Amino acid sequence: AQSVTQLDSQVPVFEEAPVELRCNYSSSVSVYLFWYVQYPNQGLQLLLKYLSGSTLVESINGFEAEFNKSQTSFHLRKPSVHISDTAEYFCAVSVRAGGGNKLTFGTGTQLKVEL
Amino acid sequence: EAGVTQFPSHSVIEKGQTVTLRCDPISGHDNLYWYRRVMGKEIKFLLHFVKESKQDESGMPNNRFLAERTGGTYSTLKVQPAELEDSGVYFCASRPRGWNTDTQYFGPGTRLTVL
Repeated sequence: AQSVTQLDSQVPVFEEAPVELRCNYSSSVSVYLFWYVQYPNQGLQLLLKYLSGSTLVESINGFEAEFNKSQTSFHLRKPSVHISDTAEYFCAVSVRAGGGNKLTFGTGTQLKVEL
Repeated sequence: EAGVTQFPSHSVIEKGQTVTLRCDPISGHDNLYWYRRVMGKEIKFLLHFVKESKQDESGMPNNRFLAERTGGTYSTLKVQPAELEDSGVYFCASRPRGWNTDTQYFGPGTRLTVL
């Protein structure tokens, strides 16, 4: 079985400051890694994903995440946040082979960007 | 292209009543998933359809939950009779068929409150 841990339930940060949202996972098999974002009153949207290849993946809106196999982590970072980044962020994994691509999620991190 | 839609957006019912949630996936997506988020906890997998067949229903909490996907298009999730612990947000997601189609597209969710 897989599990995902997001230790920070809430992260307040000032606009233009850097932010890191932490994600650690546990799995006995190889997994794909995802970050999803949920803006207020909307559904979950895929932010970025790691399938293979370069361990650093980027999104179109300036977020990046780095897969660290030895530390079983996939932390999400942004060097300078904007008010519009206020949302809840979910880290998730799915097994590479079999499993039907079902996702195992963490408990989510609420990012609140303040002026 | 229309996204995943869910109906209703909110439902408030009393314990013991029946509720049916509906999900319309993106047209042509063979894979359909149901997830649930109980307040303050992680988003949990309920089940996975491939077309009209249940591929994996390992996450269904008990036999009060019945999911169907007749004709392989939209899906319904019925809770009968509803209990207090069934309250939460129910998400539906869809994914196209194929080995390189790992991204699930989520709907906005149905918020269910059982009083």
